[in-house]
Amino acid sequence: QQQVKQSPQSLIVQKGGISIINCAYENTAFDYFPWYQQFPGKGPALLIAIRPDVSEKKEGRFTISFNKSAKQFSLHIMDSQPGDSATYFCAASRTRTQGGSEKLVFGKGTKLTVNP
Amino acid sequence: EPEVTQTPSHQVTQMGQEVILRCVPISNHLYFYWYRQILGQKVEFLVSFYNNEISEKSEIFDDQFSVERPDGSNFTLKIRSTKLEDSAMYFCASSAPWRSPLHFGNGTRLTVT
Repeated sequence: QQQVKQSPQSLIVQKGGISIINCAYENTAFDYFPWYQQFPGKGPALLIAIRPDVSEKKEGRFTISFNKSAKQFSLHIMDSQPGDSATYFCAASRTRTQGGSEKLVFGKGTKLTVNP
Repeated sequence: EPEVTQTPSHQVTQMGQEVILRCVPISNHLYFYWYRQILGQKVEFLVSFYNNEISEKSEIFDDQFSVERPDGSNFTLKIRSTKLEDSAMYFCASSAPWRSPLHFGNGTRLTVT
């Protein structure tokens, strides 16, 4: 129930194309869904995040779509660029009462390659 | 932009030795975490720390692991007697008050030989 399943494992997209990465979760108590971007040798960096009170969130070329009933969420990268080539992780957590911490459960990651 | 800093970037140790991984979280953050990533695998939660005590730990975080905030700036992870399977990238993270995002450091690559 703690798992977050992510697909595909790897993705190759041409420059200017749309990259789509999907995640599914089981635990209905999860209420925070971030996406992290990781370049080789670096730590994960928060890209965009959503809470279940909205079905979509857009920041620049990056959009999260959230389907609460299906327990799925996805990351769309529009106009993909070679600089977007990285590993992307979805994650989920449950907000605890104030003063508590949010343990993130990560998906297994998607290695995105954007060809020039 | 403030960032989480981790030292060393790479640590090589022999099996059975003790290691201490160090982190300086972002200065006004209150919640501190250690995660690890075995090569090519997903990032896994180890432990969270708030108000000078562990608030949650995973099944990975057994008696060989401990965390400490020895002063107002550092946050450390100690592995008492390292095993080969402890080889991984260890990430420190911190977050500000409730419902704010986690900020990760660049990690310490631990190699146990």
